[in-house]
Amino acid sequence: GAVVSQHPSWVICKSGTSVKIECRSLDFQATTMFWYRQFPKQSLMLMATSNEGSKATYEQGVEKDKFLINHASLTLSTLTVTSAHPEDSSFYICSARRQGGSYEQYFGPGTRLTVT
Amino acid sequence: GNSVTQMEGPVTLSEEAFLTINCTYTATGYPSLFWYVQYPGEGLQLLLKATKADDKGSNKGFEATYRKETTSFHLEKGSVQVSDSAVYFCALAEPSNTGKLIFGQGTTLQVKP
Repeated sequence: GAVVSQHPSWVICKSGTSVKIECRSLDFQATTMFWYRQFPKQSLMLMATSNEGSKATYEQGVEKDKFLINHASLTLSTLTVTSAHPEDSSFYICSARRQGGSYEQYFGPGTRLTVT
Repeated sequence: GNSVTQMEGPVTLSEEAFLTINCTYTATGYPSLFWYVQYPGEGLQLLLKATKADDKGSNKGFEATYRKETTSFHLEKGSVQVSDSAVYFCALAEPSNTGKLIFGQGTTLQVKP
């Protein structure tokens, strides 16, 4: 149990367009989901914490108007990169924390975004 | 603030060698501690965890003990395999409602046959 999926697994888009990435908890309900960004050979940088039914909490330095997060249900959170630019190219990873569970987070396989 | 420090890599070992990856943390309160592993091109998988002092987490031959006195959570394996080649992340969960994870910088392990 505790499987998290992401879609798409990779995407290429043109500069100026928007891209939506989905994160789903497949076999459990997640009250909290997290979005991370990972640059090559670097650690994960937490972008925002998303709670079902409420606004996301963004980390310092993350533009909330650029990275729109929606957590509409207990199994789905979406990250939309608006007006993407080449510097937004990165590996985006989501994780989910089980409702009523411990602090353990279950990670999705990641989405590779390339902006041309 | 809370932080995690890992030994710098890459770590290169021969198959069947003993592995230690050091991890120390700074935190207020009593965080839960984790080791995650990331294989090339994939997301993170939980390797093991410990939720209180002196707990030992273990999985797939890997072990780590939560040492409060030294604020450490070193990862060990007695005999590594080529398939263990990956990036290993030490992390702590902030003891708050959100349970945010603070990651170390990651240590790349390469095991040669």
